[in-house]
Amino acid sequence: SAVISQKPSRDICQRGTSLTIQCQVDSQVTMMFWYRQQPGQSLTLIATANQGSEATYESGFVIDKFPISRPNLTFSTLTVSNMSPEDSSIYLCSVETGAYEQYFGPGTRLTVT
Amino acid sequence: DQQVKQNSPSLSVQEGRISILNCDYTNSMFDYFLWYKKYPAEGPTFLISISSIKDKNEDGRFTVFLNKSAKHLSLHIVPSQPGDSAVYFCAASGGSGGSNYKLTFGKGTLLTVNP
Repeated sequence: SAVISQKPSRDICQRGTSLTIQCQVDSQVTMMFWYRQQPGQSLTLIATANQGSEATYESGFVIDKFPISRPNLTFSTLTVSNMSPEDSSIYLCSVETGAYEQYFGPGTRLTVT
Repeated sequence: DQQVKQNSPSLSVQEGRISILNCDYTNSMFDYFLWYKKYPAEGPTFLISISSIKDKNEDGRFTVFLNKSAKHLSLHIVPSQPGDSAVYFCAASGGSGGSNYKLTFGKGTLLTVNP
């Protein structure tokens, strides 16, 4: 398993602004993932972030809206850009430790007003 | 198109009894299935998994059953404890294109275990 922390744990932002969410892991991992959980919905994969390469985005998510950085094997950031109320969600990062299972951070609860 | 479905939004059971949470999937390419538990204000916690080559996996009070022909899996918790009260997510990996790392989640089932 892995211990994952996220910052901030929650934030309230105004529409049109951007928020960068940080994800820190206590061990080196190859694959990190960013998910979104909208109210009453399941977790949806936004993108996969591998160190040293561009993030791979899922259908419906684009780099201009959700730019991701992965500068090393223990850290990643997700930016939610030009926010609208529809971006209000819980954003979660996760890591895979090589056995299919993914381990999740505590999440960032974002409210856009 | 929801490929992983948890049709029961909530389930309530008495402490000591069995809890059975169900999950259906539509994509026959899924080859690995996982259950996660989520408490409020926390991230999902991995609970138990099963490969498509098996039909049962047991870990303490938790057992997952897989019926591939019916594209159905279930999580049994016995005996249920009040601390098991949480949202349980079913997830699947594999899918089209051999994306083994991508997890597709259901919407979750809120389990309440009453003392």
